[in-house]
Amino acid sequence: ETGVTQTPRHLVMGMTNKKSLKCEQHLGHNAMYWYKQSAKKPLELMFVYSLEERVENNSVPSRFSPECPNSSHLFLHLHTLQPEDSALYLCASSQVADSEQYFGPGTRLTVT
Amino acid sequence: AQSVTQPDIHITVSEGASLELRCNYSYGATPYLFWYVQSPGQGLQLLLKYFSGDTLVQGIKGFEAEFKRSQSSFNLRKPSVHWSDAAEYFCAVGAGSAGNMLTFGGGTRLMVKP
Repeated sequence: ETGVTQTPRHLVMGMTNKKSLKCEQHLGHNAMYWYKQSAKKPLELMFVYSLEERVENNSVPSRFSPECPNSSHLFLHLHTLQPEDSALYLCASSQVADSEQYFGPGTRLTVT
Repeated sequence: AQSVTQPDIHITVSEGASLELRCNYSYGATPYLFWYVQSPGQGLQLLLKYFSGDTLVQGIKGFEAEFKRSQSSFNLRKPSVHWSDAAEYFCAVGAGSAGNMLTFGGGTRLMVKP
């Protein structure tokens, strides 16, 4: 595997389910990001991890819970989501001191 | 807080024609500026970035962008568009010491006519 991978690529979940999105980077980076891309709003930065510590949380609802167990892996745990949470969730990585981010292909999430 | 505006939601150009995509930003300091491209079903790919130096920046796939501080603009250009350039283009401004806290514009969808 190369670059940034995300699994699953598609996910349909009910409002009472719990699921997790996974991101893995194979670039030797030490910063990772979650973004939300929905049809009606610009790409939004949700979470930033730098050296495995969360450094940014842009007022994201608590039903989204990130986890960064090491510099190569990032998870987004989902529970009791709302239909408006349906979106493409993108993961990205970079070096801490570098602005250039590499994006994964995203997970298309549908909340029913 | 920073913001980015891409005034054109959709643009259609003929193959071989020139292209300019507009981007205006609002940011209190010297900005880090980026253009990304997203093809259907794909993540974002960085085309080019600016944070200092020459205000005309060259990127991949024959794209360039010019930073104009007086106009708070960072427009993307390409002299001759290819059908494979059809995609969505995003301008972004980066905050933070490394410019990695990105705020994106709404995107411009480019269609290319044969």
